[in-house]
Amino acid sequence: DTAVSQTPKYLVTQMGNDKSIKCEQNLGHDTMYWYKQDSKKFLKIMFSYNNKELIINETVPNRFSPKSPDKAHLNLHINSLELGDSAVYFCASSQKIGSNEQFFGPGTRLTVL
Amino acid sequence: QKEVEQNSGPLSVPEGAIASLNCTYSDRGSQSFFWYRQYSGKSPELIMFIYSNGDKEDGRFTAQLNKASQYVSLLIRDSQPSDSATYLCAVNPRGAGTALIFGKGTTLSVSS
Repeated sequence: DTAVSQTPKYLVTQMGNDKSIKCEQNLGHDTMYWYKQDSKKFLKIMFSYNNKELIINETVPNRFSPKSPDKAHLNLHINSLELGDSAVYFCASSQKIGSNEQFFGPGTRLTVL
Repeated sequence: QKEVEQNSGPLSVPEGAIASLNCTYSDRGSQSFFWYRQYSGKSPELIMFIYSNGDKEDGRFTAQLNKASQYVSLLIRDSQPSDSATYLCAVNPRGAGTALIFGKGTTLSVSS
């Protein structure tokens, strides 16, 4: 069983388009996260949700909008995609916010042309 | 701004040697510290966490924490080619309610 899953695994799109990435965890965790890993492998937190509520919103353009329909899902919608949005986006979950271990999904490689 | 610094490497060691990976952090109030391993094209996976000053051992891995020096390290004994990966140091600055801050990672290469 996959603990944290993301779809799609690869996403190639044109500048200006709108796209979504979906994330689901079957671990029963309360907290989910979105991270962005750039071409230099730097992994940076974007958002954190705890029990469907937004807890952390780092300095991210408002073109990025997370949505959590329930605590097992955290989706990321990106409007008006730009070249600089090209990166690998990782979803993660933890039992509760600030708890020991975060489990990462396989990542979504987004390429904006 | 809270920062976590790592030497990007690559750090090259021969098989069987001890690999030593270092990390410093800027927020003196940081409470918990993590080492993640990331193989190329894969997601990060947790290998060690440490909260208290001193050493914590798990198999071939030892995490060392010195809060006074704001320094955390990871030692890998008897390094194997399968240990070749990028090692990410992560810090939880203030405990509950905060997310991890990651360093840029150190690439380790173990040659057989």
